[in-house]
Amino acid sequence: GQQLNQSPQSMFIQEGEDVSMNCTSSSIFNTWLWYKQDPGEGPVLLIALYKAGELTSNGRLTAQFGITRKDSFLNISASIPSDVGIYFCAGRIIQGAQKLVFGQGTRLTINP
Amino acid sequence: GAGVSQSPSNKVTEKGKDVELRCDPISGHTALYWYRQSLGQGLEFLIYFQGNSAPDKSGLPSDRFSAERTGGSVSTLTIQRTQQEDSAVYLCASSLSGPTTDTQYFGPGTRLTVL
Repeated sequence: GQQLNQSPQSMFIQEGEDVSMNCTSSSIFNTWLWYKQDPGEGPVLLIALYKAGELTSNGRLTAQFGITRKDSFLNISASIPSDVGIYFCAGRIIQGAQKLVFGQGTRLTINP
Repeated sequence: GAGVSQSPSNKVTEKGKDVELRCDPISGHTALYWYRQSLGQGLEFLIYFQGNSAPDKSGLPSDRFSAERTGGSVSTLTIQRTQQEDSAVYLCASSLSGPTTDTQYFGPGTRLTVL
């Protein structure tokens, strides 16, 4: 099936640092989504991107839809303890049943 | 409540037994999805219901897995003759209409452990 390669798999940072993670695919996507999952909870949508080249911010979060339609990145600025969790990218391929395909996740840990 | 709810939150079963997992979507949401999340992995699509249309079952891993949605609301995911590799968190999501543009709202999941 379709696959998204998400990196890094895990990050260990100090509070206040900026964070960057990305997803790439060999397929073209028409939508990129970024979710965050807290322990014991379902994923929650952070940012949705619908156009190639689109750059969207949500507070300290910024995400971009790659111009090739095959990649996306998420940046978190000035990290705080509540940013801890697992971040997933997800996308909808242009051809196919329009289902969401998820990356493997990036586990973010913030050292005190 | 206002969100997607799932029950049970945890289920431990013996290999070979059948299990049923329940999802209550957000009221008024016509689309419902089931995903499976194995340890340390992303979400794997299982099945999608949209209104009265035939469900998209293309993600079901084997014929031991089935799901139904009664009355366009509550959905049940059934796994027959469970195997240890079925152990995972099963997540349900709902959205207002369909997958193309709508935000999917996720429930907290059911953690299934097959001994």
